[in-house]
Amino acid sequence: NAGVTQTPKFQVLKTGQSMTLQCAQDMNHNSMYWYRQDPGMGLRLIYYSASEGTTDKGEVPNGYNVSRLNKREFSLRLESAAPSQTSVYFCASSLRTGVNYGYTFGSGTRLTVV
Amino acid sequence: DAKTTQPPSMDCAEGRAANLPCNHSTISGNEYVYWYRQIHSQGPQYIIHGLKNNETNEMASLIITEDRKSSTLIQPHATLRDTAVYYCIVRSGSEKLVFGKGTKLTVNP
Repeated sequence: NAGVTQTPKFQVLKTGQSMTLQCAQDMNHNSMYWYRQDPGMGLRLIYYSASEGTTDKGEVPNGYNVSRLNKREFSLRLESAAPSQTSVYFCASSLRTGVNYGYTFGSGTRLTVV
Repeated sequence: DAKTTQPPSMDCAEGRAANLPCNHSTISGNEYVYWYRQIHSQGPQYIIHGLKNNETNEMASLIITEDRKSSTLIQPHATLRDTAVYYCIVRSGSEKLVFGKGTKLTVNP
């Protein structure tokens, strides 16, 4: 009963390096999301995928790219990491988009860019 | 999405009911009330949601006033593991969940 699995759990990057955060869900959910959480800022939506084959920008998409690899997997890529991208990243999924569906969140990836 | 107001912190004795209030006086007719919680260093956890009627599931009960301007999350028998930040969120059609500062609930032994 894994739910939403994120890898890695921790990562330190140097400015300018690239990396991909992985997310997989085993609940047969259609919709997947990437959020970041910063102290005092709450969660902010980066990108989401309403269904396999579609992606849309959220509130703070600059500096990120996403890939909905298949129904289970949704990855987040930082092409050239910046210190402002130091944050905790959460992946989430829901049965589908819409107001009547709750989200299941992963345990997060703690990223530090130095 | 409508804005919500929650007390910054609350305390509860272990085994007693934890009643967490939320004010959402500007809620509109098609907006749902959601509750999530976040235990330290973990991802947010969905608890319950509702539109007009009171709701109950295995985790908690949600009481929504008749005018829908406020709601209360009830955890009937709080345990130490329920210590967390509880977020009340009002959603319309947006995919963006707006998490405010929430209520830090401390369950004391």
